[in-house]
Amino acid sequence: GAGVSQSPSNKVTEKGKDVELRCDPISGHTALYWYRQSLGQGLEFLIYFQGNSAPDKSGLPSDRFSAERTGGSVSTLTIQRTQQEDSAVYLCASSPGSGVEQFFGPGTRLTVL
Amino acid sequence: DQQVKQNSPSLSVQEGRISILNCDYTNSMFDYFLWYKKYPAEGPTFLISISSIKDKNEDGRFTVFLNKSAKHLSLHIVPSQPGDSAVYFCAALYNFNKFYFGSGTKLNVKP
Repeated sequence: GAGVSQSPSNKVTEKGKDVELRCDPISGHTALYWYRQSLGQGLEFLIYFQGNSAPDKSGLPSDRFSAERTGGSVSTLTIQRTQQEDSAVYLCASSPGSGVEQFFGPGTRLTVL
Repeated sequence: DQQVKQNSPSLSVQEGRISILNCDYTNSMFDYFLWYKKYPAEGPTFLISISSIKDKNEDGRFTVFLNKSAKHLSLHIVPSQPGDSAVYFCAALYNFNKFYFGSGTKLNVKP
């Protein structure tokens, strides 16, 4: 079956512009996670959805970051007024909600010039 | 505040030998620990997990050991194969909904 997909795979933007990153989880997976991996760093937790609600937004780095999930499926991570330090690979993962395993997408590489 | 640490950024091992990847954590309340493998330009893929109430879990060539008193876990790969060359991430699960990841160890298995 289809895995987690993310789009775009690469995004280059200018400082100050807004960007939207999309995640399509595996069908039926109730939990969805966003992570960020900066160069040479581990995965940094950003936000977690259970269904359409986000019980834990503690990882969002600033109020420029927001995320939503609709229909218990697709999720969008929005970064407003991008800064150079936002450059990273943004990874999305989903899980069935009962188990501990997460299934990751290939990521979106964001470059802010 | 890094709750999961992988102190070795890289490891090189000869094919056929054992690879040992290490991970330390600070929070004794973690529920599960997991290892993920990541190839370039791909997302991490799940490898093996262990419950906090266990001290060992084995799956084929992969074994994870958990030492709760030392807050340390390790992944053993034996025998190592060139296809095992990748970045390995240790992760810990808190409250069954939040994951903390280490910074990864790049394993190179030489033929």
